[in-house]
Amino acid sequence: DAGVIQSPRHEVTEMGQEVTLRCKPISGHNSLFWYRQTMMRGLELLIYFNNNVPIDDSGMPEDRFSAKMPNASFSTLKIQPSEPRDSAVYFCASSRRTGGNTEAFFGQGTRLTVV
Amino acid sequence: AQKITQTQPGMFVQEKEAVTLDCTYDTSDPSYGLFWYKQPSSGEMIFLIYQGSYDQQNATEGRYSLNFQKARKSANLVISASQLGDSAMYFCAMRLNSGGYQKVTFGIGTKLQVIP
Repeated sequence: DAGVIQSPRHEVTEMGQEVTLRCKPISGHNSLFWYRQTMMRGLELLIYFNNNVPIDDSGMPEDRFSAKMPNASFSTLKIQPSEPRDSAVYFCASSRRTGGNTEAFFGQGTRLTVV
Repeated sequence: AQKITQTQPGMFVQEKEAVTLDCTYDTSDPSYGLFWYKQPSSGEMIFLIYQGSYDQQNATEGRYSLNFQKARKSANLVISASQLGDSAMYFCAMRLNSGGYQKVTFGIGTKLQVIP
């Protein structure tokens, strides 16, 4: 398996522009997580899906952020409009929903810079 | 609410020595899992070790072991025989199993530097 695939790896955009981050989870995984990593706040859970359904979006910072999972193999995180304080590394992770050692597998991350 | 605490922002260890990275957690849920991840400077997140809340024995994976003290709600990572390649950020994480959903939250991390 190719692992969790995120695109793009790097994104530089101007303040006010819309940004869309993409994630393809590992086939067969039915939980998907979006995280944001910054020096100040560490790894923050933004939202997670189970069987394509958003379960908890309490970590989404504000209405400018939205996430969708239209099917089991694709998810997007959208920021509209983007602001400089959104600059961070955004990780997508997936896991199987079974008992035992179901660790989350992470993508390589998208480094977002908003100027 | 569930919480993960890592109180050591940075740690140094001499090569070939053992080091313990601290992690405490807080949850009222009886069923949970605890994980440690390594993040080298390249940025990827690498899974290291897992401990389930009902596991009777401490988890071990090669040079990594997890010192699980349930009553104290601690899940410290022990790295034996440190290597230069162990220099990285280390994150403790907790997965709750309430309602069949698996929410995974992370601590702030500990930066480990191995000194030659």
